[in-house]
Amino acid sequence: DVKVTQSSRYLVKRTGEKVFLECVQDMDHENMFWYRQDPGLGLRLIYFSYDVKMKEKGDIPEGYSVSREKKERFSLILESASTNQTSMYLCASHYRGNNQPQHFGDGTRLSIL
Amino acid sequence: QKEVEQDPGPLSVPEGAIVSLNCTYSNSAFQYFMWYRQYSRKGPELLMYTYSSGNKEDGRFTAQVDKSSKYISLFIRDSQPSDSATYLCAITYSSASKIIFGSGTRLSIRP
Repeated sequence: DVKVTQSSRYLVKRTGEKVFLECVQDMDHENMFWYRQDPGLGLRLIYFSYDVKMKEKGDIPEGYSVSREKKERFSLILESASTNQTSMYLCASHYRGNNQPQHFGDGTRLSIL
Repeated sequence: QKEVEQDPGPLSVPEGAIVSLNCTYSNSAFQYFMWYRQYSRKGPELLMYTYSSGNKEDGRFTAQVDKSSKYISLFIRDSQPSDSATYLCAITYSSASKIIFGSGTRLSIRP
């Protein structure tokens, strides 16, 4: 079974802090994704990565950056956290190739005070 | 217009009922269709994955795609309280690098 692990289930941070969300997958997947999920807005893609050190902007990249130093790990960084970044953050991965179904972690519920 | 539209619900039905969940999409280029189930405080898990029009069955679940109407459905037979979750439809096409998700329908099965 594919295992996508997000380092924290719940996180509380303060406005202006730099926040790191970590994601690790154990299936040697090339492609990894970061989403945020908000009520009524569904899943919105923040960034994705095809390979180590590769990254592509998704639909809402503003205020975020990512890092992919190792194939199994994809980090999401909130450079200076703001209250409108309070959300559920989901990491996903799949094998190389388009139209592959994605496998998700259980999410990090992030609150910015 | 959103690329995929999904009724957010909530939808509440009695145990044993047949449930129908639906999505419409706007781009006829979409070829691959998925349904995910998301329990509370968990990530989405893949339930069904189909390509092209027609039906695909897996146990109590049937995914149906009507490309001419740009309409996809998920049917759940003999619904159980354990089916209570949010169901997300998702679509993509062969040259796409990302999947488009519906906003999800919250389903509750009453014992």
